[in-house]
Amino acid sequence: DAGVTQSPTHLIKTRGQQVTLRCSPKSGHDTVSWYQQALGQGPQFIFQYYEEEERQRGNFPDRFSGHQFPNYSSELNVNALLLGDSALYLCASSFFFANQETQYFGPGTRLLVL
Amino acid sequence: AQKVTQAQTEISVVEKEDVTLDCVYETRDTTYYLFWYKQPPSGELVFLIRRNSFDEQNEISGRYSWNFQKSTSSFNFTITASQVVDSAVYFCALSENAGGTSYGKLTFGQGTILTVHP
Repeated sequence: DAGVTQSPTHLIKTRGQQVTLRCSPKSGHDTVSWYQQALGQGPQFIFQYYEEEERQRGNFPDRFSGHQFPNYSSELNVNALLLGDSALYLCASSFFFANQETQYFGPGTRLLVL
Repeated sequence: AQKVTQAQTEISVVEKEDVTLDCVYETRDTTYYLFWYKQPPSGELVFLIRRNSFDEQNEISGRYSWNFQKSTSSFNFTITASQVVDSAVYFCALSENAGGTSYGKLTFGQGTILTVHP
């Protein structure tokens, strides 16, 4: 049973560019959440997708956008990259059933903005 | 607003010592969920445990145990007889009930770096 997968694993971009990160959820999961983890910090919630719609959003600017596809996979897009966007981007998938839900995380994409 | 505090930034122990990682949380909800995750150097967050706010029963899983106390808003994690492989960053996280279809977002603490020396 494959876990959460993310691509690419590493990425280097320059300021002002745009980037797209991809996530495939764990089998049977229908909800995808994205987090940004700066060096030495805890992950910060960006947004969550369910049924192809953004259900919840954290305190991130509109430069951060996302999408969920019918197969539940998801993309995170960041426009007009800033140096401060350099971080580990984590995707988590989950499935809510019988009042139980656990988010399982992928290995992350390390983004460096120069 | 929900908040999680892990006051211990770094802990260093020698193998076979017991170690407790502290976690204090703040929430206005009466229904919420607490989690512990482990992050090894590879970066992937590994789920360890979930606890519901209405279940204060402590839990033991092998060398791991968790002490949940609503009265002090704490959810501490103890590793007994620590091993070098336990070296990692440990995160405590909180999720409030976002409605009938999800726990919603996770709010993480800053993490505790645990180093176990041989």
